[in-house]
Amino acid sequence: DADVTQTPRNRITKTGKRIMLECSQTKGHDRMYWYRQDPGLGLRLIYYSFDVKDINKGEISDGYSVSRQAQAKFSLSLESAIPNQTALYFCATGRTGENNEQFFGPGTRLTVL
Amino acid sequence: AQKVTQAQTEISVVEKEDVTLDCVYETRDTTYYLFWYKQPPSGELVFLIRRNSFDEQNEISGRYSWNFQKSTSSFNFTITASQVVDSAVYFCALSLIPNSNSGYALNFGKGTSLLVTP
Repeated sequence: DADVTQTPRNRITKTGKRIMLECSQTKGHDRMYWYRQDPGLGLRLIYYSFDVKDINKGEISDGYSVSRQAQAKFSLSLESAIPNQTALYFCATGRTGENNEQFFGPGTRLTVL
Repeated sequence: AQKVTQAQTEISVVEKEDVTLDCVYETRDTTYYLFWYKQPPSGELVFLIRRNSFDEQNEISGRYSWNFQKSTSSFNFTITASQVVDSAVYFCALSLIPNSNSGYALNFGKGTSLLVTP
């Protein structure tokens, strides 16, 4: 089984809908991240979390919120989706003190119509 | 702030050719990590290498090699005798050495799309 899983893998929704993307990990890592990938722009950080009680905004947090329900789970929500949030979303995990190596989930492809 | 530049947007080579992917970075910090990730057409991100700023020794792993030069702020990636399976988007990334105030985010370049044709 994959160490970092994301659900759903693909989602098509309409403008204004609320969407939740979920990430789970079995690696026992304390740190979790949400990145967004747009064609030609690389990956950009949305939110990150050091542990269950710690949430931090990244470079492009506007329009998104997150919840760290447990050490192994980190959810990303789009309260009211808009078309320019169409992108590939990646969850990543890492362990404090381990050279900042981050392990990425398979990605969620989100399309907002 | 940190910045990673991958000036080559797309590269196309014929199988068995050698190809070098360029990565130039900017940071005011003296301690940092550099990474390369591969993203094949299936979309997942595959970790290739991490290099600590203290270690400028070049590394070779099979057909892959990396040339880290702090003097030019570059961390270039060479594939020797390229194969069709090397076709992918390759990302270079930088992060600061973690401390209690840093989120340890990876700052990615925009990626280089490599196409290897038979």
